[in-house]
Amino acid sequence: AQTVTQSQPEMSVQEAETVTLSCTYDTSESNYYLFWYKQPPSRQMILVIRQEAYKQQNATENRFSVNFQKAAKSFSLKISDSQLGDTAMYFCAFMKRYSGGGADGLTFGKGTHLIIQP
Amino acid sequence: EAGVTQFPSHSVIEKGQTVTLRCDPISGHDNLYWYRRVMGKEIKFLLHFVKESKQDESGMPNNRFLAERTGGTYSTLKVQPAELEDSGVYFCASSQDRKAGVETQYFGPGTRLLVL
Repeated sequence: AQTVTQSQPEMSVQEAETVTLSCTYDTSESNYYLFWYKQPPSRQMILVIRQEAYKQQNATENRFSVNFQKAAKSFSLKISDSQLGDTAMYFCAFMKRYSGGGADGLTFGKGTHLIIQP
Repeated sequence: EAGVTQFPSHSVIEKGQTVTLRCDPISGHDNLYWYRRVMGKEIKFLLHFVKESKQDESGMPNNRFLAERTGGTYSTLKVQPAELEDSGVYFCASSQDRKAGVETQYFGPGTRLLVL
């Protein structure tokens, strides 16, 4: 079974600062995906960024980037030039992928509540 | 294109009553997932449908929970009888065909269930 750990229950930074959210995971699988989801106060959870485990290059989506360290089983999210709209719960998630293209449900961490201060 | 929708958004029931939650996935998505977040805990996987078939229901807490997906379209999750520990937020998510290699799950807004 997989586990995902987010060690920062809450973080607060000033607008325009850079913030890094940590995530570690434990698995014996070699083929998997990692995700960061964001849930703003309005409740709809949306995908921020996705990383395939077989790719060495870190994924980037505009101001969001990850630091994927497969050997260390670490998957941190960096938000550059943070904005007020980035205030949300951020969830790190793991998904095992099968060779035939299938996948399991997601395993989530407990989440990090990120607050961007004006 | 409409996203994943869930109904109701909130439900307050008494212990012992029955509640049915509904999820409408994104059109064309074969995969449908149910998750639950109990207060202060992680979001937990409940089960996974591929079209109308249950692919994995290993996360279902007990036999008071029954999920169906009629005709491979919308899905319902019924809790009967509800207990206090069933309170939480129930999320539904959908994704395209696994073989297409697109594994991203798109989530609905969730149903907040409170059992008194």
